[in-house]
Amino acid sequence: KAGVTQTPRYLIKTRGQQVTLSCSPISGHRSVSWYQQTPGQGLQFLFEYFSETQRNKGNFPGRFSGRQFSNSRSEMNVSTLELGDSALYLCASSLSLSKNIQYFGAGTRLSVL
Amino acid sequence: QQQVKQSPQSLIVQKGGISIINCAYENTAFDYFPWYQQFPGKGPALLIAIRPDVSEKKEGRFTISFNKSAKQFSLHIMDSQPGDSATYFCAASGWDDKIIFGKGTRLHILP
Repeated sequence: KAGVTQTPRYLIKTRGQQVTLSCSPISGHRSVSWYQQTPGQGLQFLFEYFSETQRNKGNFPGRFSGRQFSNSRSEMNVSTLELGDSALYLCASSLSLSKNIQYFGAGTRLSVL
Repeated sequence: QQQVKQSPQSLIVQKGGISIINCAYENTAFDYFPWYQQFPGKGPALLIAIRPDVSEKKEGRFTISFNKSAKQFSLHIMDSQPGDSATYFCAASGWDDKIIFGKGTRLHILP
C-alpha cells in the first residue's frame, strides 16, 4: 500500500509569490491534515479536511488555505509569501477524524527568499 | 491550556544508555498521548501511544510512563542505539479531534 505522497519535495519562492502544495493520502483515508514544521515552533496544525470539507483550523492567517478533492487528494495554498513562511510543510492522512493514528508524508520544504 | 511542553530540546546519550524525554500538558480533556519519531528527510511516524487509564506502556525498548495527577508523561528508550538518533515529538489529543505537538527533542546516540 502506497504511503502519503507530497509534491513537490522542495520549492524555492520569493516574497510576495504564491505557492500550491499537493498531498495524496493513503488509499481509503478520507482525512487529510496539514502541519507547518519549523525549528523554533515544532509541528503546528494548519487545517484538516474530511470528505472535501474543512473540519478544523489552526491559528494561521488567511493567506494559508486548502482544499480537498473527491478522491481525497488535498492541496494547500499560501498566498503573498513572507520570509517567515519558510518551513517544512507536512501532510498526514487518517481513516477518520480521529488523530490517534496518522500517517505523515515526507513533506515539502519551502524556502522563501 | 492547549500547550504541550517538551524537554529537553536536545539530548546526547551513550550507546546502551537510557534516553528520557519528558512532556507536560495542562488540558485535562486530553485522552490520548502519542509519541512520534522523525528521521531526517522523513515525516514523523507514530512510535507508541498511551491513554490516561494506564500508567505505563511498553513496546520493545520503548516505554511511556504516564502520571495523570501531575499531568506529565515521558518516553524512555532503553539500551539506546545509534539508529534511535532522531527527533522525537510528544503529542496530546482529545474529544475534539485536535492534536497538539510538543516542540520536539533531538536525540543523538553516541556510538
